Parts: sequence; structure tokens; C-alpha cells
Amino acid sequence: EPEVTQTPSHQVTQMGQEVILRCVPISNHLYFYWYRQILGQKVEFLVSFYNNEISEKSEIFDDQFSVERPDGSNFTLKIRSTKLEDSAMYFCASRDRGGSYEQYFGPGTRLTVT
Amino acid sequence: EDQVTQSPEALRLQEGESSSLNCSYTVSGLRGLFWYRQDPGKGPEFLFTLYSAGEEKEKERLKATLTKKESFLHITAPKPEDSATYLCAVQVGNFNKFYFGSGTKLNVKP
Repeated sequence: EPEVTQTPSHQVTQMGQEVILRCVPISNHLYFYWYRQILGQKVEFLVSFYNNEISEKSEIFDDQFSVERPDGSNFTLKIRSTKLEDSAMYFCASRDRGGSYEQYFGPGTRLTVT
Repeated sequence: EDQVTQSPEALRLQEGESSSLNCSYTVSGLRGLFWYRQDPGKGPEFLFTLYSAGEEKEKERLKATLTKKESFLHITAPKPEDSATYLCAVQVGNFNKFYFGSGTKLNVKP
């Protein structure tokens, strides 16, 4: 069964450093998403991406965040200058063009900023 | 302002003891309401999509229903393996963004 994969599973970085979180969505999916979940809190929408551009973003997704689909398989989230409060689980999700809108989530990357 | 509120926050059941989880929403122009299951340290796993009031979906011991203000996830004769956090999320209008509730953590004791 196809699945969304994410690497790394755990990333530790120092405050102010840049990190890139990587995702490989399901191959025939066209819509891609990033979410974050701070420990013990709700899953929060960050950004959606379709047709090589951002379609929606939340107020969390400020100038320090960017997304890219550098090739036909990867989808990345870059955080330019990490802050302590960026520590969270980051989930990538994807869905196909169909009308069901069901998203398939990856296992997540745990980001720890020290 | 929360758009999606789930209750209760936590629920402990004995195996076989049926119950319901609630998801209420205050958005207008609901495009779809989604239920997910999340196990500790993992990503949400899709369960159901509901689009209009009166709609029902079933899968094994789970049944999801939708009204104009809320959705229920009914769990019939739960088993310990049903223990997880159950999340609901909404999509509003034609926007490609989704709002999640805080979840209900279900613990089913054998």
C-alpha cells in the first residue's frame, strides 16, 4: 500500500540554524500539505501546495518558512532560522485530485530546537 | 476563536462498553468534516469524510454522523486496540486548508 514517507524521523538543531524537512508524498497525489503538532496540542495547518505553488497558508507560516517541490517526488519544508518554539512534530500529507479530500499523513519528523 | 471543539478530552471505557465522541464546529460553508485516528508518535490515519447533514459512514466498530452543528463518532463494543486519539477536522468552503480539533483520547480497558 502506498504511503507518505518523511525524513529524518528526528532532527535536533540549534536555535538560529536552518533546517529542511523532507517528504515523499504518494506518487499520484497532486495536493501536498505541512502541519505541525506541538507536544500535547492540536494538529495545526501550516501550508497547502498545488500545481507548484502555495494555495493556502496559515498565520503560523511566516517568512521564515518556505516550501518547495524540487523534483517530481520530494516536497520540502524549510525553516530558515529556527526558534525554540518551532520544536514540534511536523507532518506532511498528500491527497489526490478526487473529490474525497482525504489526506494521507506521513509518520512525522520530530524537530527539537535547543 | 476555536472553529472545532471536541469532547470529551479523554474517555476511558471498558471493553464492550459503547460510547460516542463529539465534534462541534462553528464554521460556515462547511465543505467536509473528517475523522482521523492518531496513535502515539504517529501521523493521523484517515477514517471518514462527511459532507452534508444527515450523512453517516461506518467502518467496523465505528460510525460517524453529521448534523449542521456537530459530528459524532460512535464506537460500538470497543476493543483495546481501538485505544487512540480521535481527531476531527473541517474544510471550509473552497479553501485548501483544514482545521483540526484537539482530539479525544480514548482508552479501552480489557
